[in-house]
Amino acid sequence: GENVEQHPSTLSVQEGDSAVIKCTYSDSASNYFPWYKQELGKRPQLIIDIRSNVGEKKDQRIAVTLNKTAKHFSLHITETQPEDSAVYFCAASKGNNRLAFGKGNQVVVIP
Amino acid sequence: DAEITQSPRHKITETGRQVTLACHQTWNHNNMFWYRQDLGHGLRLIHYSYGVQDTNKGEVSDGYSVSRSNTEDLPLTLESAASSQTSVYFCASSSGRGETQYFGPGTRLLVL
Repeated sequence: GENVEQHPSTLSVQEGDSAVIKCTYSDSASNYFPWYKQELGKRPQLIIDIRSNVGEKKDQRIAVTLNKTAKHFSLHITETQPEDSAVYFCAASKGNNRLAFGKGNQVVVIP
Repeated sequence: DAEITQSPRHKITETGRQVTLACHQTWNHNNMFWYRQDLGHGLRLIHYSYGVQDTNKGEVSDGYSVSRSNTEDLPLTLESAASSQTSVYFCASSSGRGETQYFGPGTRLLVL
């Protein structure tokens, strides 16, 4: 089955700096790549997603880029704020409505 | 507003007991999923359903079962609870055509 890996496992950034989290996937048939944010004690919530026919997607301070050849996609957060501190999960799907999740990245924004 | 709910939100049980966790969604989504979340393991799929009377095993299905008798509900049953099943359980749903999954608030289960 699909294997999704996230790096780094923990990322600390100064407030105002940018954060980048990278995910790799194994199945070249995967075509949908969402990112979820999970705050402590809360449910995972979708923050952005991208499909394989698009190379980049942006929504205000967050963006996702996809490299199908290398089978990796990245989450970019610019001008980080304390409320960006959370665990971020990437996932991949090949159109069967199932998601394979990575193990998550802890992002800590230092004020 | 449409939503997805889980109950109970917290549960303490004893080893060997049968436990059922409820999941209810009002989006009329065909697809429903159960995950468990443990530190260091992320979200692991337990069971999923693509519609009424359809159920499928995920990657960590041993010791769990589900049934889908209507569109709104997918209860998760632990047949004989084990300490290894102490975890946070999330239910999620998605529409038949889209793949965005929306998560419930979670159930924190402690098996003593």
